[in-house]
Amino acid sequence: AQSVAQPEDQVNVAEGNPLTVKCTYSVSGNPYLFWYVQYPNRGLQFLLKYITGDNLVKGSYGFEAEFNKSQTSFHLKKPSALVSDSALYFCAVRDQLVTGGYNKLIFGAGTRLAVHP
Amino acid sequence: EAGVAQSPRYKIIEKRQSVAFWCNPISGHATLYWYQQILGQGPKLLIQFQNNGVVDDSQLPKDRFSAERLKGVDSTLKIQPAKLEDSAVYLCASPKISSQYDYGTGELFFGEGSRLTVL
Repeated sequence: AQSVAQPEDQVNVAEGNPLTVKCTYSVSGNPYLFWYVQYPNRGLQFLLKYITGDNLVKGSYGFEAEFNKSQTSFHLKKPSALVSDSALYFCAVRDQLVTGGYNKLIFGAGTRLAVHP
Repeated sequence: EAGVAQSPRYKIIEKRQSVAFWCNPISGHATLYWYQQILGQGPKLLIQFQNNGVVDDSQLPKDRFSAERLKGVDSTLKIQPAKLEDSAVYLCASPKISSQYDYGTGELFFGEGSRLTVL
């Protein structure tokens, strides 16, 4: 079964410093990987995805993620953190294709990012 | 393009009462998902619709949860009777697609959610 793991409940970083939020995955077949962000009292917002191609994918708000097949990882990164980046971040993997419809996303438990001034 | 609409945003009920949540997905989207997000956990799929048919409801607690999408557009998720452990945010989502033949890459648009507190 497809799954993702986010080993850190919380990541603390000072504003202006680089940030990394970790994600590892377990899939059968080619992975479709995603990062979503959730601000307080809001729904999930798409940040970026890896389907195929370059291992470094760029997304919204200056975020990027590095796909590493040998380490089965898909870590989220940003060169310079902002206080406004403080939120809950979810890694997700697309489940195996089901007949006749779109397949669902399986989410990790989430990592809370706190950026301090 | 309009987003995914959900209501109510907040609901507080006592255990054993019933509650219903409504979702109107992005216009024209045949697929609709209901996810449950318990505090401190990632979203978990409850049910997936394709038009008005159920594709996956394997994780829906069918003794108390029900969902319908009668006309293949908006959907209702009901809980009856509610338990304390049902306290969560219920998220509705639809996929990003470019045409009726596009099964998409998995990117989903989410509504803002309905937060349920069961006392």
